[in-house]
Amino acid sequence: QKEVEQDPGPLSVPEGAIVSLNCTYSNSAFQYFMWYRQYSRKGPELLMYTYSSGNKEDGRFTAQVDKSSKYISLFIRDSQPSDSATYLCAMSAWETSGSRLTFGEGTQLTVNP
Amino acid sequence: KAGVTQTPRYLIKTRGQQVTLSCSPISGHRSVSWYQQTPGQGLQFLFEYFSETQRNKGNFPGRFSGRQFSNSRSEMNVSTLELGDSALYLCASGKEAENSPLHFGNGTRLTVT
Repeated sequence: QKEVEQDPGPLSVPEGAIVSLNCTYSNSAFQYFMWYRQYSRKGPELLMYTYSSGNKEDGRFTAQVDKSSKYISLFIRDSQPSDSATYLCAMSAWETSGSRLTFGEGTQLTVNP
Repeated sequence: KAGVTQTPRYLIKTRGQQVTLSCSPISGHRSVSWYQQTPGQGLQFLFEYFSETQRNKGNFPGRFSGRQFSNSRSEMNVSTLELGDSALYLCASGKEAENSPLHFGNGTRLTVT
């Protein structure tokens, strides 16, 4: 079983829709949670970073973490065609020897005009 | 502020050869990590360097190695290339040693024929 599970999609929504992307994890040591957006032929771009349960909002993006359920979500409001990309969740545990990210496999999102 | 810079962007090598990839982190970032991205396995952690020392290593064979220089720039080397080494190799940098959010470059696309 993978440590981080993410539905690969693809997910297709109309412009203006609210998008919900989710990941579940099994390692209770994970304390830091990130969402990245990756466009074709580009590297992952950091969207959200959080280390506590609850919600964190940044513009049209809201990251939600529920450590008790080992479940994280990313909500995109008023989705735009420019949001079409692959969204990757990532998480890490505190380690005295440094840090390493464990990624979900990514969800491919298409926002249709 | 310049982002993470990776060179070259594309490489084509023959099986059995070796290759060296280069990464310049964001100015002021002292931690550099390397990841391999493939369609089948997603993003997998290779290793992390901080202050010229390898702090963490993923589950890759010894053919994969790296180093970090005093200016935080990093190189990754793959020897005796195999067809399965074809992938996008991503470098990421972070501000502090532990659990700061990582910022990725656009990667080096390696094709082994």
